[in-house]
Amino acid sequence: DSGVTQTPKHLITATGQRVTLRCSPRSGDLSVYWYQQSLDQGLQFLIQYYNGEERAKGNILERFSAQQFPDLHSELNLSSLELGDSALYFCASSSGGGRETQYFGPGTRLLVL
Amino acid sequence: AQSVTQLGSHVSVSEGALVLLRCNYSSSVPPYLFWYVQYPNQGLQLLLKYTSAATLVKGINGFEAEFKKSETSFHLTKPSAHMSDAAEYFCAVSGSGYALNFGKGTSLLVTP
Repeated sequence: DSGVTQTPKHLITATGQRVTLRCSPRSGDLSVYWYQQSLDQGLQFLIQYYNGEERAKGNILERFSAQQFPDLHSELNLSSLELGDSALYFCASSSGGGRETQYFGPGTRLLVL
Repeated sequence: AQSVTQLGSHVSVSEGALVLLRCNYSSSVPPYLFWYVQYPNQGLQLLLKYTSAATLVKGINGFEAEFKKSETSFHLTKPSAHMSDAAEYFCAVSGSGYALNFGKGTSLLVTP
């Protein structure tokens, strides 16, 4: 158990819908990272937040957004969902905003029908 | 930009045999390199991490990796494979904003 929690574990929805994925980092960690894992694209970095502020952006679509709240939990919002958004979404946390070890949550498996 | 390439999407070894999973990196700055393991239906677990302190890095579950700058490699090894080692293994390099850039993964199969 990494100490990072993600909810829900599974999510099934329809095209065009909007969903919210939630992540709680390890106690004391200030950084939260979101990654997408799909069969065709592999593991891709989406976005990083550090202490409530956006720190870095990766291959995140404009339909996707995220935020980190004062209690340091983070939410990833996916809107206008397409079939291709079906994937495993991981959250990771680290103690700081640098190269500290990232600890991964169990993931949220999203299926868009 | 920093990137890694994992050679071999599937590797099969017999139980008790040497495990060797290959990873080559590309980085314009001294890299931080990682190996993660993913068991079925689970998240990623850190096996080991290279941060320039020592070229031979020992990790959990008997795994180790050696950083070779001249070969731009960071291969993962284990002297004797166990059935429980069957999983997906990912090499990663710390990239822009310190996010991780992952390789495509190597699926390790261990046969009795």
